[in-house]
Amino acid sequence: SAVISQKPSRDICQRGTSLTIQCQVDSQVTMMFWYRQQPGQSLTLIATANQGSEATYESGFVIDKFPISRPNLTFSTLTVSNMSPEDSSIYLCSVEAPGQETQYFGPGTRLLVL
Amino acid sequence: EDQVTQSPEALRLQEGESSSLNCSYTVSGLRGLFWYRQDPGKGPEFLFTLYSAGEEKEKERLKATLTKKESFLHITAPKPEDSATYLCAVMMDSSYKLIFGSGTRLLVRP
Repeated sequence: SAVISQKPSRDICQRGTSLTIQCQVDSQVTMMFWYRQQPGQSLTLIATANQGSEATYESGFVIDKFPISRPNLTFSTLTVSNMSPEDSSIYLCSVEAPGQETQYFGPGTRLLVL
Repeated sequence: EDQVTQSPEALRLQEGESSSLNCSYTVSGLRGLFWYRQDPGKGPEFLFTLYSAGEEKEKERLKATLTKKESFLHITAPKPEDSATYLCAVMMDSSYKLIFGSGTRLLVRP
């Protein structure tokens, strides 16, 4: 399985500001995904990060709020823009292992917006 | 509507007391069903993938089974270190998207 790291691991931010979360994988992968896990809830897919093209967003998530970059096959960023307390969540990146359909998850970024 | 439902929401067991967690799903076409374990403050850890009805997978004290409408995660003689939230997710055959259930919080007491 791939080794996935995320930065930062946690942050406390003021409303109205933006935070960029990084996801680094130790091997090249085609598919990378960003999920949100709100307090006490399960995981919801935000978007699929496509290398060399724009991300594909799920219903209820928009590019202006959650811009995503995917400059190469081992790295992606998710920005949470113009934050409000409702954005307080755990943000997780995942990757699909080459040749498999299994997604492996990073450790998550815990975000608290005041 | 594609949906994944897990039960119970929470389960308390004594060490050694076997039990099962349920994951029922309604999707238009199933590519695979996935079980994950999530410890507090960590990302989900992959456990099993099941693809077709009748399939079973085992790992230590855990066994996952799949029917056309549901999956069970059987825990045999659990230990306190098995305490975690267990998440079920399905992937539809038209997508790479995972749809997660709300999870079962398992507490195993010594």
